[in-house]
Amino acid sequence: AQTVTQSQPEMSVQEAETVTLSCTYDTSESNYYLFWYKQPPSRQMILVIRQEAYKQQNATENRFSVNFQKAAKSFSLKISDSQLGDTAMYFCAFIIQGAQKLVFGQGTRLTINP
Amino acid sequence: ETGVTQTPRHLVMGMTNKKSLKCEQHLGHNAMYWYKQSAKKPLELMFVYSLEERVENNSVPSRFSPECPNSSHLFLHLHTLQPEDSALYLCASSQVTGGELGDTQYFGPGTRLTVL
Repeated sequence: AQTVTQSQPEMSVQEAETVTLSCTYDTSESNYYLFWYKQPPSRQMILVIRQEAYKQQNATENRFSVNFQKAAKSFSLKISDSQLGDTAMYFCAFIIQGAQKLVFGQGTRLTINP
Repeated sequence: ETGVTQTPRHLVMGMTNKKSLKCEQHLGHNAMYWYKQSAKKPLELMFVYSLEERVENNSVPSRFSPECPNSSHLFLHLHTLQPEDSALYLCASSQVTGGELGDTQYFGPGTRLTVL
């Protein structure tokens, strides 16, 4: 079965701090893509960062970076210098290359406090 | 308009009503998706259209009927829904390349549906 587990239902940090969200996944496939999506209270699901499983180098997008450990099937998201606008639900997801189904985790509710 | 848009943003309907949700993508993509997001459950894929043909239907009840008239538009027709169908319905799109569905999906803002 293909599953995604986000073990932290909720997290809260102070503005400007660094926070790491955990994600583990399970698949027997070797070619896939991993994603972090952000869903703020406005409900729009926004792509934060994307990682190809065949790439060893961790993806980065400005303040967002990932720690991808393929052998451990771990894909954590680090947010540096957190901002109030980072407050949202964060979903980890993956898709097998060529497949239709994007498999999502349950999400982590992140709150950035002033 | 840019990205993926959905209308209406909110919908309240009775169990005997018929309504439709609309999704439009302005990204030049050729695959579109409907997802259901319920409280405390992961997103559930409902339908996939690739090049305007349905390629996935995850055993969705027949009271949900999708329609994809062209690569930019996707509808979800609703008929005799149940209260447990109340949820956020999200539309997404991606690009088919070489016959394979694109890996990155871009989402619309969703329609919050309440069935009374």
